[in-house]
Amino acid sequence: DAKTTQPPSMDCAEGRAANLPCNHSTISGNEYVYWYRQIHSQGPQYIIHGLKNNETNEMASLIITEDRKSSTLILPHATLRDTAVYYCIVTQKLVFGQGTRLTINP
Amino acid sequence: GAGVSQTPSNKVTEKGKYVELRCDPISGHTALYWYRQSLGQGPEFLIYFQGTGAADDSGLPNDRFFAVRPEGSVSTLKIQRTERGDSAVYLCASSLGYQETQYFGPGTRLLVL
Repeated sequence: DAKTTQPPSMDCAEGRAANLPCNHSTISGNEYVYWYRQIHSQGPQYIIHGLKNNETNEMASLIITEDRKSSTLILPHATLRDTAVYYCIVTQKLVFGQGTRLTINP
Repeated sequence: GAGVSQTPSNKVTEKGKYVELRCDPISGHTALYWYRQSLGQGPEFLIYFQGTGAADDSGLPNDRFFAVRPEGSVSTLKIQRTERGDSAVYLCASSLGYQETQYFGPGTRLLVL
């Protein structure tokens, strides 16, 4: 059983912020939220992860709600190269689900 | 440093044949994972190694699938009596430890004719 729920697809204009939601209502207290993305024909690429605090790195920001039942991945200034399938996973079960296909439009 | 590598990058075989897929993890990573990805789907967990032992093989679909990691580094996924439904991309990932960041290889594209 997938432990996360994501919209199947989203569109975003180039240069704008892309906000990708993920629901993980059954997350346990010691489980991390990880985000990966997969560009066509490549292996998944790590983006960011967090436990309960918001996190930021050079690629993205991760906002986790206080109850930890959902999170949002933010790509602050999306480029065409950010077009990919984005996966939110909750560790321990390593279930990827079908992810969100993000399309960045020029 | 070098990332996760997988060989071969592509494999075409005939139904009923035996295949071996190899994964070279990042040096020092104790955890190694195998996934299978069918077209349009997310990666599906197959098996996870901690060191030399298979800590969780609950994702292996049936007894035709087997994986080993004899020295705690390189791993081989073995598929016996291949079926057309085994056609997929087989992904390998490694991490420093369980539940830590996984780094994926490029995958092996298996086509069973």
